[in-house]
Amino acid sequence: DIQMTQSPSTLSASVGDRVTITCRASQNINNWLAWYQQKPGKAPNLLIYEASTSESGVPSRFSGSGSGTEFTLTISSLQPDDFATYYCQQYHSYSLTFGGGTNVEMK
Amino acid sequence: HVQLVESGGGVVQPGGSLRLSCATSGFTFSSYGMHWVRQAPGKGLEWVAFIRSDGNNKYYTDSVKGRFTISRDISRNTLYLQMNSLRVEDTAVYYCAKDFSTWENYFDFWGQGTLVTVSP
Repeated sequence: DIQMTQSPSTLSASVGDRVTITCRASQNINNWLAWYQQKPGKAPNLLIYEASTSESGVPSRFSGSGSGTEFTLTISSLQPDDFATYYCQQYHSYSLTFGGGTNVEMK
Repeated sequence: HVQLVESGGGVVQPGGSLRLSCATSGFTFSSYGMHWVRQAPGKGLEWVAFIRSDGNNKYYTDSVKGRFTISRDISRNTLYLQMNSLRVEDTAVYYCAKDFSTWENYFDFWGQGTLVTVSP
């Protein structure tokens, strides 16, 4: 299985900060990567697919980049609604696998 | 609008069985692949199983192969997960998730989840 490693596992930030989360794949997955946001007690919400394509309705402050084995999710200016846990997911091959998650918390 | 509503979770002893259901509405169920994804308490997300739109292709994570079966009933717009030989480590919230298309393998809509607890 392809292993997905996210860093950091926890990130402390303030409203207005630029936030970057990294996801590394154990092998080349081209651009077959998605990003999700999850809030406590809720289901995840799709933000980005194909590494850099924003899902409809997602605020423009969220952006994704990367290809191959290294990817990033950037929040250009953190808003109060953005404090949550973020997961990357590869869909290059089965088993589909997620990163361990990055908890973005208030500093 | 798209709705996915899971049911069937509960408490079961190790070795027992449960069948989860996911009732869908708001989209053409027969045109989309469907998945089950789980999340153990306080842990991350784990993909469990996928069924293609026509039901002819199914994939499972290794830890559930031979124990879990994914299926779909087009006439009822419902997805199922039959879980047999349950283990303590299967304890999780189980989400059904709609594939972005017939077979893209990422998830654009999720249900609210149903909790499965496997405990002696």
